[in-house]
Amino acid sequence: KAGVTQTPRYLIKTRGQQVTLSCSPISGHRSVSWYQQTPGQGLQFLFEYFSETQRNKGNFPGRFSGRQFSNSRSEMNVSTLELGDSALYLCASSPFPGEQFFGPGTRLTVL
Amino acid sequence: GIQVEQSPPDLILQEGANSTLRCNFSDSVNNLQWFHQNPWGQLINLFYIPSGTKQNGRLSATTVATERYSLLYISSSQTTDSGVYFCAVELESGNTPLVFGKGTRLSVIA
Repeated sequence: KAGVTQTPRYLIKTRGQQVTLSCSPISGHRSVSWYQQTPGQGLQFLFEYFSETQRNKGNFPGRFSGRQFSNSRSEMNVSTLELGDSALYLCASSPFPGEQFFGPGTRLTVL
Repeated sequence: GIQVEQSPPDLILQEGANSTLRCNFSDSVNNLQWFHQNPWGQLINLFYIPSGTKQNGRLSATTVATERYSLLYISSSQTTDSGVYFCAVELESGNTPLVFGKGTRLSVIA
């Protein structure tokens, strides 16, 4: 079975721009979660989607949004980028309930 | 919210040594996972262990849910074991995301 895939793997943007990250879960998994990892804050939960519905949302500003499509693929969007948004963004998929499996991540740099 | 504390924060070992990493959590949990983050940032699943003991090669893990802690044992460590080890838990009430500890950074020296 193929693992979780994330695209792009690396991204460089400038302040004020917006960005869209994509995640394809393991086949058959209907739950997709997003996490942000920074050296200062560690791994923090962004949001979780299940069957195209947002089930949970972390404590992030409204500039961070996401969605899930009928094939369970998910995208997250960050608008009006700030320097502090530079981070590793990790996507996880799960059959729900159950073990979560993570993708390789997208490393975003905001200049 | 639930607190997840990992110790020690840093650990340096000689190749071949054994180690124990600890994860304490402040509430009852439904799910506990151990991950190894490789140098490229990917989280590799080690164990899905809400309770009991599991073994996988040189690694084993034990979760004592009633006492709210989990232990990860690494035996005969190798340089490839280096990296950051994370513990993550999901509350027993369910419908909650994984909450991660700050990790233990392990360096294995040849």
